[in-house]
Amino acid sequence: DQQVKQNSPSLSVQEGRISILNCDYTNSMFDYFLWYKKYPAEGPTFLISISSIKDKNEDGRFTVFLNKSAKHLSLHIVPSQPGDSAVYFCAAHSGTYKYIFGTGTRLKVLA
Amino acid sequence: NAGVTQTPKFRVLKTGQSMTLLCAQDMNHEYMYWYRQDPGMGLRLIHYSVGEGTTAKGEVPDGYNVSRLKKQNFLLGLESAAPSQTSVYFCASSSSTDTQYFGPGTRLTVL
Repeated sequence: DQQVKQNSPSLSVQEGRISILNCDYTNSMFDYFLWYKKYPAEGPTFLISISSIKDKNEDGRFTVFLNKSAKHLSLHIVPSQPGDSAVYFCAAHSGTYKYIFGTGTRLKVLA
Repeated sequence: NAGVTQTPKFRVLKTGQSMTLLCAQDMNHEYMYWYRQDPGMGLRLIHYSVGEGTTAKGEVPDGYNVSRLKKQNFLLGLESAAPSQTSVYFCASSSSTDTQYFGPGTRLTVL
């Protein structure tokens, strides 16, 4: 049973436009959510996180929104740049060390 | 400051052979993790450790053993490799239940 789902395997966006990556979860005990970015042949790198007590967190061009009632979070990248082309994973945990990752969305930003 | 390093980067095994993957971190992190990444499956937690001398099972522990004899090292062992263990293995470390820092990965093929 996939507790964290990223239903879009891929997304293409024009440079300068907004990229929106979505993530849904089923476990209401999750209270911390993270987004990681992964380039080919490298390990994932942390991008941004949000606690369940917030509904928005912003860091430069990256904003994460959390809708607890819908069990949904999204990552907005504005403006999108070619260097943002990568696989993005969302992850969640419930205050323990057992992170649950989604299957990833491959973002391609077209120049 | 190398962060998280993994040895080896690539390995090919025959079914039934054994091997050990080494993860080392120089950030003095208490927590360390082993994940595997398979196409369409995201990252799945194999085993983790919350401190020197401790280990615990993750989502997919069968067929693997781990040891954390020193705080900076976390070893993942395959006693009798199977083709189903063909995957990319990532090690990570963290100082809390917050951001995890990942190594570059080990690509393992079992024939």
